Amino acid sequence: EAGVAQSPRYKIIEKRQSVAFWCNPISGHATLYWYQQILGQGPKLLIQFQNNGVVDDSQLPKDRFSAERLKGVDSTLKIQPAKLEDSAVYLCASSRYSGAGELFFGEGSRLTVL
Amino acid sequence: AQKITQTQPGMFVQEKEAVTLDCTYDTSDQSYGLFWYKQPSSGEMIFLIYQGSYDEQNATEGRYSLNFQKARKSANLVISASQLGDSAMYFCAMRDLNRDDKIIFGKGTRLHILP
Repeated sequence: EAGVAQSPRYKIIEKRQSVAFWCNPISGHATLYWYQQILGQGPKLLIQFQNNGVVDDSQLPKDRFSAERLKGVDSTLKIQPAKLEDSAVYLCASSRYSGAGELFFGEGSRLTVL
Repeated sequence: AQKITQTQPGMFVQEKEAVTLDCTYDTSDQSYGLFWYKQPSSGEMIFLIYQGSYDEQNATEGRYSLNFQKARKSANLVISASQLGDSAMYFCAMRDLNRDDKIIFGKGTRLHILP
């Protein structure tokens, strides 16, 4: 089966610009996660979807970050306006269903904010 | 609140030796899962092993085993007969099966295997 797809792989923008990341989870996976991983640190959960509903977005900086999951499949994470501290790898992961099983990760989208 | 602690920022181990990576966790829930992921320099997150809180036996997957001590809230990863390709970042993670299925990660341990 195809893995979790993310794009773009790399993005360089200047501060105050906007950026969007796309994620296509494994087919049939109901749960989707966006994580932010700053260099040298562990992944930090930004938002979690169950189908197309938000389960947890407590650590999402809502003044600049937004995310949606259309029709319970693809998801988009947007940052507007970007700050220098947003430079990180944005990892998308999916899970077949709640409550069990490992997360399957995409290759990540590396953002550099200048 | 849930928390994962990995106290070893970095480790150096001689090739072919066994290595133990420490992980302690904090949760008030009874139903949870523990994971270990490997992240090589390429950046991909590779699932290694899973242990459920109700599993009575320690999980094993090839050279990987999870030393699960529930009373001490520890879930250490043991890699037997280490190889050069084991050099990577290793993350311990916990999945709360009761509380919105949130999954949190520790800060990681960077493992260096020496030839």
